[in-house]
Amino acid sequence: AQKVTQAQTEISVVEKEDVTLDCVYETRDTTYYLFWYKQPPSGELVFLIRRNSFDEQNEISGRYSWNFQKSTSSFNFTITASQVVDSAVYFCALSGSYNTDKLIFGTGTRLQVFP
Amino acid sequence: DARVTQTPRDKVTEMGQEVTMRCQPILGHNTVFWYRQTMMQGLELLAYFRNRAPLDDSGMPKDRFSAEMPDATLATLKIQPSEPRDSAVYFCASGPGQPQETQYFGPGTRLLVL
Repeated sequence: AQKVTQAQTEISVVEKEDVTLDCVYETRDTTYYLFWYKQPPSGELVFLIRRNSFDEQNEISGRYSWNFQKSTSSFNFTITASQVVDSAVYFCALSGSYNTDKLIFGTGTRLQVFP
Repeated sequence: DARVTQTPRDKVTEMGQEVTMRCQPILGHNTVFWYRQTMMQGLELLAYFRNRAPLDDSGMPKDRFSAEMPDATLATLKIQPSEPRDSAVYFCASGPGQPQETQYFGPGTRLLVL
């Protein structure tokens, strides 16, 4: 069975702190994709990144970076120098080769960044 | 900037009434998904279509929910009759059609059934 675990329910930081959101996944598929989405207080789901299982290179996009480690089945997300606008719920999701179109979402991590 | 649109954004109705939610996918996207988000269950896939044909609706309560794509630019999700437990945010998402491609979400319809 496929599963995504986001053990951190809520994280609070002060602006300019770095913060890492954890994501651990389970799948028997050899080919799969991992995603991160952001859900700000306005409610929409915003796509952040998609990564396939064969590409373990870390990715950096501005203040955002992602660390994919197949050995530990983790796909962690780090925000550097956090800002109040980063306050949102962040979801990690998995799409496996068996049910290729289905996204299995984690329960989300609520990040609050205080000024 | 192409986006998925959903109407209505908010809906309050009474138990037993029919509810229809509409979604316009991103132009050129041929895969459309319906999700439901609740505090208890999180994000759940209800159904999805490719090229207007339903591929999977196993997540949808069959007795009261129905999903259709009358044409390539419109997807609908109907609940009849609605019940208080249907209160949730319903998201539509669309994708370019290849398996495991990114799904782009609409703003959601917040449904409250009294």
